Amino acid sequence: KAGVTQTPRYLIKTRGQQVTLSCSPISGHRSVSWYQQTPGQGLQFLFEYFSETQRNKGNFPGRFSGRQFSNSRSEMNVSTLELGDSALYLCASSAYGGTIQETQYFGPGTRLLVL
Amino acid sequence: AQSVTQLGSHVSVSEGALVLLRCNYSSSVPPYLFWYVQYPNQGLQLLLKYTSAATLVKGINGFEAEFKKSETSFHLTKPSAHMSDAAEYFCAVSDGFQKLVFGTGTRLLVSP
Repeated sequence: KAGVTQTPRYLIKTRGQQVTLSCSPISGHRSVSWYQQTPGQGLQFLFEYFSETQRNKGNFPGRFSGRQFSNSRSEMNVSTLELGDSALYLCASSAYGGTIQETQYFGPGTRLLVL
Repeated sequence: AQSVTQLGSHVSVSEGALVLLRCNYSSSVPPYLFWYVQYPNQGLQLLLKYTSAATLVKGINGFEAEFKKSETSFHLTKPSAHMSDAAEYFCAVSDGFQKLVFGTGTRLLVSP
């Protein structure tokens, strides 16, 4: 089975622009979570989607949004980019999303650089 | 809210030596704990997870971790380090459906 795929792998944007990142979960997986990884703040949970519904959200401003499509693919969007949004954005998928101990499988990430 | 603390941002060992990476958790309910590894320019790979079935959990690549409730710890060990183990290791606790709270990570350095 193919793993979690994320596109693009690298991205350079300038302040004020917006960006959309894409995540394709493992085939058959229904839950998709997003995380931001920075040297200063570490790994932080952004949000989680299941059956096209956001079930859980981390402590990020409204500039960060996401959605999930009927085929479980997910996108996250960051509007009005700031320098501090430079990070590795990781997507993770899990099969059923029904238990808190369920394993999440991570993609390779999208590295975003904001200039 | 659940949290984990990883002691030591860097750990250095010689090849063949014991690896010990420390993780302590804080949780008001029985925790579900995970160890992930991240190699340079890659995502996270699950090493092992604790879900209350057994206190000693065996994972991939020869790693194991022991859940100790009395010490609120979930330390990761490997009897003999290999050069390929050099990476960053993250302890995490589940804080709701598909929401992981991660520690700050420990970079493992392995010298010949």
